[in-house]
Amino acid sequence: DAGVTQSPTHLIKTRGQQVTLRCSPKSGHDTVSWYQQALGQGPQFIFQYYEEEERQRGNFPDRFSGHQFPNYSSELNVNALLLGDSALYLCASSPEPGQTRYGYTFGSGTRLTVV
Amino acid sequence: AQSVTQLGSHVSVSEGALVLLRCNYSSSVPPYLFWYVQYPNQGLQLLLKYTSAATLVKGINGFEAEFKKSETSFHLTKPSAHMSDAAEYFCAVGRGQRTDKLIFGTGTRLQVFP
Repeated sequence: DAGVTQSPTHLIKTRGQQVTLRCSPKSGHDTVSWYQQALGQGPQFIFQYYEEEERQRGNFPDRFSGHQFPNYSSELNVNALLLGDSALYLCASSPEPGQTRYGYTFGSGTRLTVV
Repeated sequence: AQSVTQLGSHVSVSEGALVLLRCNYSSSVPPYLFWYVQYPNQGLQLLLKYTSAATLVKGINGFEAEFKKSETSFHLTKPSAHMSDAAEYFCAVGRGQRTDKLIFGTGTRLQVFP
C-alpha cells in the first residue's frame, strides 16, 4: 500500500521564478494538507484541500496557491519565489477532514532551494 | 487558539538510558496530541497519538506518552535508548474538528551516544 508520494524530491529555483510541487495521497485518503518546514523549525500549515476546494488556510501570502484533482492528488504552486521560501514542503493526507484522530500520513517532502 | 511548547531543542542520552522529551500544550478545546519522528532527509512518521481515550499511550519503537490534563503535558518517554532513536521529534496538537490542522512544536533533536 503506497503511502503519500511527493515529487520532485529536490528542486533548485531562482528568485522570482514559479514552482509547482506535486502530491499523491495515501490510498483511501481524500484530504490533502500542505506544510512548510524551514530549516530547524517545525512544520507550518499552509492549506488543506478537500473535494477539490481549499477548506482552510494558514498564514501564508497569496503567492502560495494550490489545487486538488478529482483523483485527490494535489499541487502546491508558489509564485515570485523569495529566498525565504527555501524549505522542505510536506504533503499530508487523511481519510477525511477533521479526522486528525487518525494522525495525518506525511510524505517525504520536496526540498526547495531558492537561489 | 492552540500552541505547543517543546522544552529543550537538544537532548543527549547514552545508549540504554531513559529518554524523556517534554511537550506542553495550550488548547481551548479538548486536544488531540501527537508525536512524530523525523529522520534526516525524510518526512514525518507518526509515533503515537492521544485522542481522548486512554491517557497512557503506547506507540511504535517502544515509545509511550502520558496525557496529563492538570499539567497540560504530553511528554514522550522510552525506557532504554537505542542508537537508531537518534532523530528529530515533534509534538503536535489538533482539535479533531472538520477543518482541522496540526500545530507543531519547534522540535527536539535526540542524540544517542554509545
